[in-house]
Amino acid sequence: KQEVTQIPAALSVPEGENLVLNCSFTDSAIYNLQWFRQDPGKGLTSLLLIQSSQREQTSGRLNASLDKSSGRSTLYIAASQPGDSATYLCAVRQGNQFYFGTGTSLTVIP
Amino acid sequence: EADIYQTPRYLVIGTGKKITLECSQTMGHDKMYWYQQDPGMELHLIHYSYGVNSTEKGDLSSESTVSRIRTEHFPLTLESARPSHTSQYLCASRGVGADKQYFGPGTRLTVT
Repeated sequence: KQEVTQIPAALSVPEGENLVLNCSFTDSAIYNLQWFRQDPGKGLTSLLLIQSSQREQTSGRLNASLDKSSGRSTLYIAASQPGDSATYLCAVRQGNQFYFGTGTSLTVIP
Repeated sequence: EADIYQTPRYLVIGTGKKITLECSQTMGHDKMYWYQQDPGMELHLIHYSYGVNSTEKGDLSSESTVSRIRTEHFPLTLESARPSHTSQYLCASRGVGADKQYFGPGTRLTVT
């Protein structure tokens, strides 16, 4: 069964710092990988989606990379802001099912 | 932006009560999902549907049932709530041939 791991579980950085969140998965036979943001008590908001044939996707200050063969993805956030504080989850799709990590809780200190 | 709604947003009920959590989407998506999420834990798939009259159980057996009589509506029912059902329930949908899942705001359920 697919297992998705995210490290670190929590991260605190000063405003303006660049940072990297990590996601790893055990079965490389994925269709795609999606990064989400979740604010406390809320649902998930999709940030970036990378197809299995792609290496990276960019949206504004966010850049996600995918190395399918090694079972890894990273989410790079440039010039972090206090508004970036949230939990970031990654999810891989296999068939019509999705497997989620436990997330990285990010705090950006003003 | 996706239009997917969940009601109620918060619910506190006693043990043994029957409850239905509502989920509706206005995007015409054929695929819909219910997830359970405990604090600090990953999302667990409890039910999914590929279209009207199609429902399947996910990995997590939550003693709940779902129905899909209309494309836009995917309610989740707990016949007899127990304290172990206390959790956040998230509904999601995905369109035909589309890759992204869109999530509702969630229902925070507390069973006393």
